[in-house]
Amino acid sequence: DSGVTQTPKHLITATGQRVTLRCSPRSGDLSVYWYQQSLDQGLQFLIQYYNGEERAKGNILERFSAQQFPDLHSELNLSSLELGDSALYFCASSDQETQYFGPGTRLLVL
Amino acid sequence: AQKVTQAQTEISVVEKEDVTLDCVYETRDTTYYLFWYKQPPSGELVFLIRRNSFDEQNEISGRYSWNFQKSTSSFNFTITASQVVDSAVYFCALSEEDDDMRFGAGTRLTVKP
Repeated sequence: DSGVTQTPKHLITATGQRVTLRCSPRSGDLSVYWYQQSLDQGLQFLIQYYNGEERAKGNILERFSAQQFPDLHSELNLSSLELGDSALYFCASSDQETQYFGPGTRLLVL
Repeated sequence: AQKVTQAQTEISVVEKEDVTLDCVYETRDTTYYLFWYKQPPSGELVFLIRRNSFDEQNEISGRYSWNFQKSTSSFNFTITASQVVDSAVYFCALSEEDDDMRFGAGTRLTVKP
């Protein structure tokens, strides 16, 4: 158990809808990362937050947004969902040396 | 543009063999970070190592070792005396100064008993 939790584990929704994925980092970790893993695109880095501030941005679509709250949990919002957004979404937190991954949220867009 | 190439799509070895997973990267930055991750059949991602571009010292952690060579833009990963539990997909990744990160396509390692 990495100490990073993600909810929900599975999510099935329809095209055009909006969903929110939640991530709780390990206690004490200030950094949160979001990644997307799909069959088409492989693993992609989406965005990183550090202590509530956006730190780095990867290949994140404009339809997607994220934030990190004062209690350090993070949410990834996906809107106007398309079939191609079906993927496994991982969250990770890190201390100075190591990243710790959550179990992922599997999103299926029908 | 940064790019990470893992030319080996799949590798199959027999237990106790040594195996090296190749990773070649492209970047114009002088400051960057290289990573390796493991994704076992259960699907979770496991961070293995992060190496910055100024530290070319090889790293050893138990049966795992990493060889970073700037001259050939490679960051190869070797598993010594492989075990069935090493079976997984291994990803190499590169992060540049703008902190974006790019992953290789992954190498699927199968270790047979």
